[in-house]
Amino acid sequence: EPEVTQTPSHQVTQMGQEVILRCVPISNHLYFYWYRQILGQKVEFLVSFYNNEISEKSEIFDDQFSVERPDGSNFTLKIRSTKLEDSAMYFCASSIETANVLTFGAGSRLTVL
Amino acid sequence: AQTVTQSQPEMSVQEAETVTLSCTYDTSESNYYLFWYKQPPSRQMILVIRQEAYKQQNATENRFSVNFQKAAKSFSLKISDSQLGDTAMYFCAFTDIQGAQKLVFGQGTRLTINP
Repeated sequence: EPEVTQTPSHQVTQMGQEVILRCVPISNHLYFYWYRQILGQKVEFLVSFYNNEISEKSEIFDDQFSVERPDGSNFTLKIRSTKLEDSAMYFCASSIETANVLTFGAGSRLTVL
Repeated sequence: AQTVTQSQPEMSVQEAETVTLSCTYDTSESNYYLFWYKQPPSRQMILVIRQEAYKQQNATENRFSVNFQKAAKSFSLKISDSQLGDTAMYFCAFTDIQGAQKLVFGQGTRLTINP
């Protein structure tokens, strides 16, 4: 069964450092998403991406965050200058069409010290 | 703005019992999708079941079924013959069709199946 692959599975970084989380969505999917889950809390939408541009973003997704699809297969989330409160599990997801079933990756755990 | 509420933070049942998880939501849309996702200790989000709002028939997937009450904006999940592997966090989620760019999740219910 096709999977969404995320790397790294866990990253520890110092506050103020830049972090890039990587995702390989399912190959025939057209919509890509990042979600965040702070430990013990609910999953929150960050951003959706379609046709090489952001289609929607939440208020969490401020200027410190950016997304990119650099080569037609990877989909990355960059946090420019990490804060302690960025510590969370970050989930990538993709779907073949909007409002359809999202397939989630296994998540990347980010710990900011 | 759409909201999803799960009023049961934790539930615990014995193996083989039936358990029902509650979910209510708020929206002004008439057409939308509702989902239940399972998050086991591995923390991966796994789709359990999906319901389309324009379909009156309740969705079922093997031991999992929903009770969708559109007028009451209620979407509960019933797990029959519960198994140890059902132990997980369960999240109810909503997406509208018009915007359809994001899932809105509830707070989750931690379900423990005891042997």
